[in-house]
Amino acid sequence: DGGITQSPKYLFRKEGQNVTLSCEQNLNHDAMYWYRQDPGQGLRLIYYSQIVNDFQKGDIAEGYSVSREKKESFPLTVTSAQKNPTAFYLCASTRTSGHIQYFGAGTRLSVL
Amino acid sequence: GIQVEQSPPDLILQEGANSTLRCNFSDSVNNLQWFHQNPWGQLINLFYIPSGTKQNGRLSATTVATERYSLLYISSSQTTDSGVYFCAVMTTDSWGKLQFGAGTQVVVTP
Repeated sequence: DGGITQSPKYLFRKEGQNVTLSCEQNLNHDAMYWYRQDPGQGLRLIYYSQIVNDFQKGDIAEGYSVSREKKESFPLTVTSAQKNPTAFYLCASTRTSGHIQYFGAGTRLSVL
Repeated sequence: GIQVEQSPPDLILQEGANSTLRCNFSDSVNNLQWFHQNPWGQLINLFYIPSGTKQNGRLSATTVATERYSLLYISSSQTTDSGVYFCAVMTTDSWGKLQFGAGTQVVVTP
């Protein structure tokens, strides 16, 4: 089945540790996105990529990094510089920018 | 940047009732989407509706772009309609970036 797969579903980070969240899509979509959602709030854009080997910062990029080496994959690294990483992280993709966005099931990140 | 305001913030409905959710935005948009987030966090796209009216089963949406608002109608609500409904918009200046509203939390009781 076509879709967006995020892993892991739950992730725990120790102090000073970098962690990487995986996002893979088999929809042949060009654009991919990472959002952060805090309890009771809307989604905020962290990073997005419209084509392979290119990405742009969103509204809250500090403390995060991404790569886009393959069309299907857009991993997000939460670095130790992100002091408040506990949140629900959602990955999305779209055929091209400006079209309908499709979402993965999300990763819940907590700090130990 | 563009401001997106959704109302009401919370809504409690009895099964079978109808309701209207509103999304106001502060600038011209060329893309507007409605999403439903279920209690487990999964977001599903309901409508892509930068203007006009669309219907999908018991749900319908209308966007009046010139007056900068969109409405989502839920008719004959069911308990499976519970969750958070988000409106998200994109402007020409922010091509590729959706700006989300804070959402409307809907609870449908049996």
